[in-house]
Amino acid sequence: QVQLQQSGPGLVKPSQTLSLTCAISGDSVSSNSAAWNWIRQSPSRGLEWLGKTYYRSKWFNDYAGSVKSRININPDTSKNQFSLQLNSVTPEDTAVYFCARSVAAISFDIWGQGTMVTVSS
Amino acid sequence: EIVLTQSPDTLSLSPGERATLSCRASQSVSSSYFAWYQQKPGQAPRLLIYGTSTRATGIPDRFSGSGSGTDFTLTISRLEPEDFAVYYCQQYAGSVRTFGQGTKLEIK
Repeated sequence: QVQLQQSGPGLVKPSQTLSLTCAISGDSVSSNSAAWNWIRQSPSRGLEWLGKTYYRSKWFNDYAGSVKSRININPDTSKNQFSLQLNSVTPEDTAVYFCARSVAAISFDIWGQGTMVTVSS
Repeated sequence: EIVLTQSPDTLSLSPGERATLSCRASQSVSSSYFAWYQQKPGQAPRLLIYGTSTRATGIPDRFSGSGSGTDFTLTISRLEPEDFAVYYCQQYAGSVRTFGQGTKLEIK
């Protein structure tokens, strides 16, 4: 079955870059029918979709307007994984970050285990 | 951006009772792109319903979804102890996905 395994640091200093990775098993990051998403959850903002990467003959990205100027989501086909980079973080970026698969008509059907990231000096 | 507002914020019921959770969208949403999730403490959300009314794999038939336009409903016909959790609605029409703020279903 499809599984997503997240990795990355749980503590990031303000103004630095938050970096997380999501390793995929049982599916391919290059799938023509799936998209690979990052979502975060905090008490103040609830569940917030951040963006996705997907392959449809070429690579595409969609990002939420709230983070568009600071975010990159990149696929790594050699390792069958995808990553999140969020630049210039502030304490407001403190949240649990999830990766998730979406399929067009089904939405987020597979989720990673979540990573608590705290932004603090 | 489509804003989803769930009601009530908290619902207190007993096992065996029927639960009705509501979600209202700030503008019309295609029923093909509306979902419900269940989340328990320390876990990722779990997909329950997609396309407004289709149960995800392995979801018991006591869970059902309905609605159209701006008003959607999740119904749990007979509550089991494991159903007490937080429930989120979500729309996935267009390129931006949004979630409701959640309804906490607690044991009365």
